[in-house]
Amino acid sequence: GAVVSQHPSRVICKSGTSVKIECRSLDFQATTMFWYRQFPKQSLMLMATSNEGSKATYEQGVEKDKFLINHASLTLSTLTVTSAHPEDSSFYICSATDSGGSYNEQFFGPGTRLTVL
Amino acid sequence: AQSVTQLGSHVSVSEGALVLLRCNYSSSVPPYLFWYVQYPNQGLQLLLKYTTGATLVKGINGFEAEFKKSETSFHLTKPSAHMSDAAEYFCAVSVGAGNMLTFGGGTRLMVKP
Repeated sequence: GAVVSQHPSRVICKSGTSVKIECRSLDFQATTMFWYRQFPKQSLMLMATSNEGSKATYEQGVEKDKFLINHASLTLSTLTVTSAHPEDSSFYICSATDSGGSYNEQFFGPGTRLTVL
Repeated sequence: AQSVTQLGSHVSVSEGALVLLRCNYSSSVPPYLFWYVQYPNQGLQLLLKYTTGATLVKGINGFEAEFKKSETSFHLTKPSAHMSDAAEYFCAVSVGAGNMLTFGGGTRLMVKP
């Protein structure tokens, strides 16, 4: 149980275009989802916390107008990278917490590799 | 605010040798502690977690970790390394509010034949 999927797994786009990444909890309800980015050979950096039905909370230094997050249901959150530029190229990972869980455990998706040309 | 320090960004062991990956944390409240493993181009997989109770925690793939409050440590060990253990390992701490995880910098484990 507790499976999180991400789609797409890999995307290549041209500079200036927008890219949407989906994060789904497949077998549980997730009131909270998290979005991280990971640069090569580095740790995960939290970008934002997404709560179902409310606005996302962004970490300091993360542009909310550039990284649009929508958490419209208990099983789906989306991250849209608007007007992507090469410096946005990174590995984006989402995670979700089980609403019924009690130990703060986050379940991670497999990640999305974004390459902006 | 909490923080996590992983000593040693790279650790190399021989197959069959003991694996020891170090993790120290700082937290003003009792923490929940986690170890995750990441294989190339994949997400994170939970190895084990400490929440409350027994301080020696056993996880998957033969790994275990011991929570030592006096040392603010949560080191990960495995008695005998296997080639398939080669991966990136992350220690993380959560203090409850919002379930937010703070990650350490990661340790790349290399296993030599």
